Amino acid sequence: KQEVTQIPAALSVPEGENLVLNCSFTDSAIYNLQWFRQDPGKGLTSLLLIQSSQREQTSGRLNASLDKSSGRSTLYIAASQPGDSATYLCAVFTGGGNKLTFGTGTQLKVEL
Amino acid sequence: GAGVSQSPSNKVTEKGKDVELRCDPISGHTALYWYRQSLGQGLEFLIYFQGNSAPDKSGLPSDRFSAERTGGSVSTLTIQRTQQEDSAVYLCASSPPGISTDTQYFGPGTRLTVL
Repeated sequence: KQEVTQIPAALSVPEGENLVLNCSFTDSAIYNLQWFRQDPGKGLTSLLLIQSSQREQTSGRLNASLDKSSGRSTLYIAASQPGDSATYLCAVFTGGGNKLTFGTGTQLKVEL
Repeated sequence: GAGVSQSPSNKVTEKGKDVELRCDPISGHTALYWYRQSLGQGLEFLIYFQGNSAPDKSGLPSDRFSAERTGGSVSTLTIQRTQQEDSAVYLCASSPPGISTDTQYFGPGTRLTVL
């Protein structure tokens, strides 16, 4: 059974700081890995999707890496802003189950 | 264009009552998923529809839960004889045809509270 773990569970940083969120998964037989953002009372917004054959994806100040063999991914946020405050979820897609398996998330707060 | 929509946004019900939650996927998306997010827990998969194929119901927690997808579009998740542990946010997602590894687009969710 696939299990996804995210560390830390919560993080508070001052504005402008660079930060790294961590995700690990137990079964490396994945099709892709996604990072989502969830704001209170809202659904999930996909930030980055990394296919199993890829090593990283970048979008603006966000960079996600994938090391499939070790079962790890990181989300790097550069020059953090208060608007980045949200819960960040990592999820892996395993085609055999036709579903995403989510981690429990990292709650990020960026303070002025 | 319009995203995934869900209704109602909030539902409060009494223990033992039945509830229906609705999901309107993005037009043209053939895959539709239901997930549940309970307080303090991660998102868990409930059910998956793909076109006209038989749904994958492997995530439904009990036989009180069922879901339908009519005409390959709108889906309804029904919970019978609700229990307090059913309280959660129920999220629906859809994804385009042809690429099973494409991203899933999520709706805003329905917050269900069972008193």
